Amino acid sequence: QITLKESGPTLVKPTQTLTLTCTFSGFSLSTSGVGVGWIRQPPGKALEWLALIYWDDDKRYSPSLKSRLTITKDTSKNQVVLTMTNMDPVDTATYYCARSMTTLDAFDIWGQGTMVTVSS
Amino acid sequence: QSALTQPASVSGSPGQSITISCTGTSSDVGSYNLVSWYQQHPGKAPKLMIYEVSKRPSGVSNRFSGSKSGNTASLTISGLQAEDEADYYCCSYAGSSPFVFGTGTKVTVL
Repeated sequence: QITLKESGPTLVKPTQTLTLTCTFSGFSLSTSGVGVGWIRQPPGKALEWLALIYWDDDKRYSPSLKSRLTITKDTSKNQVVLTMTNMDPVDTATYYCARSMTTLDAFDIWGQGTMVTVSS
Repeated sequence: QSALTQPASVSGSPGQSITISCTGTSSDVGSYNLVSWYQQHPGKAPKLMIYEVSKRPSGVSNRFSGSKSGNTASLTISGLQAEDEADYYCCSYAGSSPFVFGTGTKVTVL
């Protein structure tokens, strides 16, 4: 069974750095063609793709947020970490991690999501 | 990289067919046969319904079908059922910054 689960703070203050961890099981991020991405969704709004890391450590970022995002992986721990700097109230959202396969170029398995509120 | 454009809402009666459009540009939808569609029920994570324009993952009903013409992709739900009431999002591969999502469509079963 393939699962992903997001973890991190539920509340951060403006200007702080957010660090989210995606812990997954049932697949390996060292397998060719596998990737893990982050997608967020502000309350009542649409999905927004943020970042993606592939098995070969290729990293891709949303152009509009690239300067604030860093994605890394720890294959031995089955984890992917996303950091977002200089948080603002507009970054309040549910953050999802999801598996992507180059054979699909889609996100086939999603985590349950974690809600992050940015407020002083 | 702008969001793909979807109608805000689409509705239909049980048993009917509805189609949701997803309009992008020649840099995303128009350049790649890599459009995917996601269903999201309230408070739940999105679920992959269609990938590579028209392919269905295992377990997804064949009432869901996808197509593409030029810069516009479409999702058709046939034999509409109450359980299909949800938000639907398209997503396209877009090259070096690989993914862009649509604005989302709320499907209402009358």
